[in-house]
Amino acid sequence: EAEVAQSPRYKITEKSQAVAFWCDPISGHATLYWYRQILGQGPELLVQFQDESVVDDSQLPKDRFSAERLKGVDSTLKIQPAELGDSAMYLCASSRDPHNEQFFGPGTRLTVL
Amino acid sequence: GENVEQHPSTLSVQEGDSAVIKCTYSDSASNYFPWYKQELGKGPQLIIDIRSNVGEKKDQRIAVTLNKTAKHFSLHITETQPEDSAVYFCAASVLGNEKLTFGTGTRLTIIP
Repeated sequence: EAEVAQSPRYKITEKSQAVAFWCDPISGHATLYWYRQILGQGPELLVQFQDESVVDDSQLPKDRFSAERLKGVDSTLKIQPAELGDSAMYLCASSRDPHNEQFFGPGTRLTVL
Repeated sequence: GENVEQHPSTLSVQEGDSAVIKCTYSDSASNYFPWYKQELGKGPQLIIDIRSNVGEKKDQRIAVTLNKTAKHFSLHITETQPEDSAVYFCAASVLGNEKLTFGTGTRLTIIP
């Protein structure tokens, strides 16, 4: 069964450092999402891509976060500089198109010291 | 924007009993309501969903009910088993605008 791949699974960094997370969606899925899940809360959408285009980044803190999906396949989410409040699980999800089920990856757990 | 509230935050039930988790939403335009199960160290997995043209949907031991007038929907798990232990999230969105708004989650523990 195809799955969404994410790496790394865990990342520990110091504040003010740069971090990057990678996501490989299920083959053929045109829509890709990045979510942030703070411990004890539900996921919150950061950015949504349709192919290589951003369709919603209204909740992305653009002063420090950036996301790209240059070839419309895999995607990278970057934080620079990381802050203590960025500690969370970062989840990637993909769907065949925006009208279909979202499949989630295992997430990257970020700890900022 | 949409606001989804979920109750209870924790729920313990005896194996074999039923579990019910409830959610309310604020945006009357929302018409798609999925439920996700998240096991430790894994991403959320869709277990059932319902669209607003339907009042109830069942899939084996899992059912979801929707009351559009009251703006609430519920997840029902019958004959609970230890493998049902996980965190469950409800969510809401408007089809055509696929931004899911999640509830805060319910940690379900099945007591053997």
